[in-house]
Parts: sequence; structure tokens; C-alpha cells
Amino acid sequence: NAGVTQTPKFQVLKTGQSMTLQCAQDMNHEYMSWYRQDPGMGLRLIHYSVGAGITDQGEVPNGYNVSRSTTEDFPLRLLSAAPSQTSVYFCASSYSRGGEAFFGQGTRLTVV
Amino acid sequence: AQSVTQPDIHITVSEGASLELRCNYSYGATPYLFWYVQSPGQGLQLLLKYFSGDTLVQGIKGFEAEFKRSQSSFNLRKPSVHWSDAAEYFCGHINTGTASKLTFGTGTRLQVTL
Repeated sequence: NAGVTQTPKFQVLKTGQSMTLQCAQDMNHEYMSWYRQDPGMGLRLIHYSVGAGITDQGEVPNGYNVSRSTTEDFPLRLLSAAPSQTSVYFCASSYSRGGEAFFGQGTRLTVV
Repeated sequence: AQSVTQPDIHITVSEGASLELRCNYSYGATPYLFWYVQSPGQGLQLLLKYFSGDTLVQGIKGFEAEFKRSQSSFNLRKPSVHWSDAAEYFCGHINTGTASKLTFGTGTRLQVTL
């Protein structure tokens, strides 16, 4: 099993550009989440999903969109990138509400 | 808002010494509590979790944590630290009153000296 796969691993964007961070899991997990990690801030929850077709906002949702059309995929969209979105992004999935969360390797995004 | 707090940003211990990393939660009911570890350049890995029952929880890599309701704490401990334990440690929680939001404290970076 590949687990949780994030692409790309690195990305540089110009301010105002849009892009989608991809996240896929092959463990048939219902729960998926996106986090951003910034120095001194820990991991902050952006959006999460408890199943296909169901998404909800986390702690820092502004500037990000998500959708969950399949169980396997949970893409994160930046519609108009800003320098404040420079961060490392992690996708995670878990089988159940309190189950172990499995994390991807992260995407390092720089917005210039 | 319900949250967890990790008061120590950075801790340095000598190899072989004992370790305790602090985590406090702010919520009336007992949340689900977790400890995760992040090695440099990697994602997070679960060390242990607490839902209910025995308040002393054993995890992987020789770690344990104790839930203390009276102190709203869930501190992580290890009797003898190894150099390979150097990493960043995150306390996480799920508020049992909400759907499934797993949120984290700001993390504690552990440095191990030889």
C-alpha cells in the first residue's frame, strides 16, 4: 500500500496564481484532512472531510477550497495564492473518528 | 475554543536521561488525546492515544503518557531517551462533541545531547 500520497512535493507560485495540491489515499479511509505547518504555529487544520461529498472548515480555511468527490481523493485548491500561504502542507487520513491519522510526506509551497 | 497547549517550545536532554513533555487541554468533557512525532522532513507518526479507561497509556518506541483529569494534562514520558528520539512532538486532540476535527498543539522540539 502506498498510504497517503501528496503531489507535488515542492512548488513555487507567484502571487495571484492558482493551483491544486493533490492528496490520495489507498486505505479506504473515510476521514481526510489538510493541515499547514508553520514555524512556531504547529499544525493548523485547514479543511477536513468525514466522507465523500462531505467537507467542513477547520481552524484556518480562508483562501482554500476543498471537495471530496471520491473516498480516495481530497484535493486542496488555492484560488489566488498569497505570500501568507507559504507553508508546508500535510494531508492526513484515518479510518474512523478516533483512529490513527496517517500523514503524507508534505508539500512545501512558496508563494513569491 | 477547545484546544491543547504545549508550554515547552524546545527541550534538551542528555541521552539516557528521562523525558517528560507537557500537554494541557482545555475542554470540559474528556476529549480523545494523542501524541504524534515528526522526524525532520517527514509527516507525523502516532505514538499513542487515549480515549477512556486506564489513564496510563503505553505507546511505541518506549513512550507512555498519563491522562490526569484533575490537571487537564496528558504528558508524554520516556524513562531513558535515545539520540534517535530527537524530533518534534505534537499533542493532538479530538473534541468528542464535534465530528472529527483532529487539532494539534504548537509542538515541542526535542534535542538529545550525547
